[in-house]
Amino acid sequence: QVQLVESGGGVVQPGKSLRLSCAASGFTFSTYGMHWVRQAPGKGLEWVAVISYDGNNKYYTDSVKGRFTISRDNSKNTLYLQMNSLRAEDTAVYYCAKRFHPGAGYGDYLDYWGQGTLLTVSS
Amino acid sequence: DIVMTQSPDSLAVSLGERATINCKSSQSVLYSSNNKNYLTWYQQKPGQPPKLLIYWASTRESGVPDRFSGSGSGTDFTLTISSLQAEDVAVYYCQQYYDIPLTFGGGTKVEIK
Repeated sequence: QVQLVESGGGVVQPGKSLRLSCAASGFTFSTYGMHWVRQAPGKGLEWVAVISYDGNNKYYTDSVKGRFTISRDNSKNTLYLQMNSLRAEDTAVYYCAKRFHPGAGYGDYLDYWGQGTLLTVSS
Repeated sequence: DIVMTQSPDSLAVSLGERATINCKSSQSVLYSSNNKNYLTWYQQKPGQPPKLLIYWASTRESGVPDRFSGSGSGTDFTLTISSLQAEDVAVYYCQQYYDIPLTFGGGTKVEIK
């Protein structure tokens, strides 16, 4: 069965960096685009970034452009989110999610989500 | 960006009664070439990730009870729970996938009256 397991969250000071990971299993990871979605405490869902199945194309929400980098290692079935220059407003649970359709494309419904990893940015 | 607006923010419904959640997009999410609405609904229970309920505005995900139904087209959509059960207490989100960035509605919290 499909499993997505995020890790790497924690408490970090403003301005610092952190890398999140998402280990995928139960499907052919290299054929699916993957997303990061975050949820601030007590708030709604906010899309963060998407990466194509081959890693060649990436898109970000405006608030993280230039600070966050999404990447993937298809040989390790792992998705990453490198987060630099962290701000208090980045505090959230970060979910990785799989798009439904394989192959090319970015907009899609997300059929599997990990349990999330909590990032707290605080001094 | 396509703005998704849900209403109400919360609603309390008696067990067995109908719950109706609305979602409006700032522009049409109907793709004319395939006549499909790029609109999905998720259910999120406390402490859990979102769960896919409905896609293409009205197609129920496998395993989702048939008391959940989606309707609408273009810019106006509805999620209906025909007979609310205790396990349906959750926050429900709509999301458009017509364009990047993906955007979500603000969520509707459903509770038991």
